[in-house]
Amino acid sequence: GDSVTQMEGPVTLSEEAFLTINCTYTATGYPSLFWYVQYPGEGLQLLLKATKADDKGSNKGFEATYRKETTSFHLEKGSVQVSDSAVYFCALSDLSNYQLIWGAGTKLIIKP
Amino acid sequence: EAQVTQNPRYLITVTGKKLTVTCSQNMNHEYMSWYRQDPGLGLRQIYYSMNVEATDKGDVPEGYKVSRKEKRNFPLILESPSPNQTSLYFCASSLKPGHYGYTFGSGTRLTVV
Repeated sequence: GDSVTQMEGPVTLSEEAFLTINCTYTATGYPSLFWYVQYPGEGLQLLLKATKADDKGSNKGFEATYRKETTSFHLEKGSVQVSDSAVYFCALSDLSNYQLIWGAGTKLIIKP
Repeated sequence: EAQVTQNPRYLITVTGKKLTVTCSQNMNHEYMSWYRQDPGLGLRQIYYSMNVEATDKGDVPEGYKVSRKEKRNFPLILESPSPNQTSLYFCASSLKPGHYGYTFGSGTRLTVV
């Protein structure tokens, strides 16, 4: 079945460092791909999405490109801030029932 | 403001005492869903609903019930809670989850003693 694999955390970076959180997927067909962020004590928020190959989703300085050839949707940010500390989830849409399949989440810690 | 509202935010209860967690959305979304989040297990879907009077089991439906009598509300019912249902619960809604993703509520932290 379809699945999503994220890099294990926690990922610890210094402020202003470059961020990459890897996400790869297996799926039949052409699912939509999502990144969600969960700040401490809060619910999940949609960060960005891409609905077809080569699409780039972007929001709040974060970017991710839908790469069909490598089945990847890596999250990147050029210069992280302490306020970016959160758990990040990669997800894909299950085209059989239109529900989401989730990665395990990656905790990001940014140190001043 | 477009939102998904869950209540209560925190709940401590005893084993076997029936409880209901309410969920309401004001976006006229057809799709609604319940998830639980546990350390090391990520997000797991409990039930989802594609429209009024249409509900389906997710990955971990045992011990839970839902109903969808009207579009805006999707309550989660625990008829006889047990300690293994201690978890963080999220309600979510969407116009079309496969395309737009879900809008999540703020969560309900449930402890069953």
